[in-house]
Amino acid sequence: DGGITQSPKYLFRKEGQNVTLSCEQNLNHDAMYWYRQDPGQGLRLIYYSQIVNDFQKGDIAEGYSVSREKKESFPLTVTSAQKNPTAFYLCASSIGGQRGYEQYFGPGTRLTVT
Amino acid sequence: AQTVTQSQPEMSVQEAETVTLSCTYDTSESDYYLFWYKQPPSRQMILVIRQEAYKQQNATENRFSVNFQKAAKSFSLKISDSQLGDAAMYFCAYAGNQFYFGTGTSLTVIP
Repeated sequence: DGGITQSPKYLFRKEGQNVTLSCEQNLNHDAMYWYRQDPGQGLRLIYYSQIVNDFQKGDIAEGYSVSREKKESFPLTVTSAQKNPTAFYLCASSIGGQRGYEQYFGPGTRLTVT
Repeated sequence: AQTVTQSQPEMSVQEAETVTLSCTYDTSESDYYLFWYKQPPSRQMILVIRQEAYKQQNATENRFSVNFQKAAKSFSLKISDSQLGDAAMYFCAYAGNQFYFGTGTSLTVIP
């Protein structure tokens, strides 16, 4: 079955450590996205990529980094510079980055940093 | 910048009844799309319905329909014959140059 996988479902880290969240899709989609979800704030865009080897910052990119070396993979690294990293992270993809395309979402990763 | 506002943090509806969730947005773009997504307790985001701004006809998907008022920048979701499985967080989303999500409305369905 085609879809988006995110692993792990729950992730725990100590403050000061970098952590990488995995996102893989087998939908052959060009565009991929990372969102952060906090209670009462909806989804906020961290980074997005419309094509391999290219990505752009979203609204809250500070303290995060991404790479897009393969079409199917878009890992997100939460660095120690991110002041409030504990959150629910959602990865999504769409056929293209142009407006109008539906975004398909992965199951999410809950990151807890203590 | 585009903004999406969902003014109802929580709503409830009796099973089999109809409920309307509201959404307004602000934009200077003329070409855009609007979506409603559902996020059940599993937290998996699921597309409910999609509306192209250039289409005057309101989109419908089975028990789900929208009331799209372009001039008023309003995009409400109507759920008819509500079912227990409709209980979820509902997000309105705007897709122009970027995707923007509202803060969500938590829908409770009362048996």
